[in-house]
Amino acid sequence: DAKTTQPPSMDCAEGRAANLPCNHSTISGNEYVYWYRQIHSQGPQYIIHGLKNNETNEMASLIITEDRKSSTLILPHATLRDTAVYYCIVRPHGTDKLIFGTGTRLQVFP
Amino acid sequence: DAGVIQSPRHEVTEMGQEVTLRCKPISGHNSLFWYRQTMMRGLELLIYFNNNVPIDDSGMPEDRFSAKMPNASFSTLKIQPSEPRDSAVYFCASSLSSGIIEKLFFGSGTQLSVL
Repeated sequence: DAKTTQPPSMDCAEGRAANLPCNHSTISGNEYVYWYRQIHSQGPQYIIHGLKNNETNEMASLIITEDRKSSTLILPHATLRDTAVYYCIVRPHGTDKLIFGTGTRLQVFP
Repeated sequence: DAGVIQSPRHEVTEMGQEVTLRCKPISGHNSLFWYRQTMMRGLELLIYFNNNVPIDDSGMPEDRFSAKMPNASFSTLKIQPSEPRDSAVYFCASSLSSGIIEKLFFGSGTQLSVL
């Protein structure tokens, strides 16, 4: 199963773009990359997912490198409410299991 | 839609007692997941169901833990007997699976304290 590596913490100024990196160098060709976030004391919240192509939705953009060994989650205009732990997850092929790692704690400051 | 509903929100019990956590998934969803979160171990997948059938229970810590899904709208996670090390936040999540799980919707969790 592909493992992910994320920095433990990051800071971002309010209004600026937050770029959260994730390394998944052992990913297989048919494994999806998912991003979730968890705001303090709440359940995790789905953000976005992708396979090969870059994806964008109302919350964020997901940039996946051509070799698929890494990806970046972009919050284009971070707000204080985006302060949370962000999890990058690779879903093993053939299973519905999502295994959460330790994530990146993003602190957005005024 | 009310989302995934978990009860109780908080549970305080004494070691040795039976604890039952409840989950009502989003209507129409056919997959249900139980997770446990602690500071030391993070978010751990305990078990998940697809169409009410347990698919993978490899994360269930030991025989004291059991989970059931008698119908599409209800699941329970039972701990008997409970121990202080079971203290954690237990999350239930549901999803619509059509070959690929896209989004998991999580409940607000049950904060369990075993004294």
